Amino acid sequence: KAGVTQTPRYLIKTRGQQVTLSCSPISGHRSVSWYQQTPGQGLQFLFEYFSETQRNKGNFPGRFSGRQFSNSRSEMNVSTLELGDSALYLCASSLVAVGSAEQFFGPGTRLTVL
Amino acid sequence: EDKVVQSPLSLVVHEGDTVTLNCSYEVTNFRSLLWYKQEKKAPTFLFMLTSSGIEKKSGRLSSILDKKELFSILNITATQTGDSAIYLCAGSSNTGKLIFGQGTTLQVKP
Repeated sequence: KAGVTQTPRYLIKTRGQQVTLSCSPISGHRSVSWYQQTPGQGLQFLFEYFSETQRNKGNFPGRFSGRQFSNSRSEMNVSTLELGDSALYLCASSLVAVGSAEQFFGPGTRLTVL
Repeated sequence: EDKVVQSPLSLVVHEGDTVTLNCSYEVTNFRSLLWYKQEKKAPTFLFMLTSSGIEKKSGRLSSILDKKELFSILNITATQTGDSAIYLCAGSSNTGKLIFGQGTTLQVKP
């Protein structure tokens, strides 16, 4: 069974640009969550999608948005990039809702904002 | 505000030692407490705890949850160098939010 895949793996952007990250969950998983990981703040929850609906959102500005498609694949978009957005962005999928079952993490997308 | 606090933040032990990692949480509409191990890549799942007092065990690792005192511990016995990693705990709410602690960095020396 294929694991969670994320594309691209590495990305370099400049301030003010926007970026779209993609996550393909494990087949059959309906929940996809996104996280930002930085050395200073650790792992922070961005949002969770379940059956194409955003169920919850962390404390991030509106520049961070996402969506989930009918095949459960998810995208995350960050607009008007800032230097502080440089981070590892992880997505995780689970069979059912977050906290009810094991979550499987993808390898992450390393975003660098110059 | 929801928060999860882990202690200690870092720990250095020698092979064969037993370690206890702590996690306290305050999560609104709490559903479960999860432990993850992170090496140089994405976190991998260790345990999910929902009920107080029931120990979960996997090899040399075990974990237990106390919902009255709002904390969990992760024990690793007979540590090996391969146990060196960051150990993360996270509290989940029944609204789909997962709050992570800062992590405990464990280094096991030969």
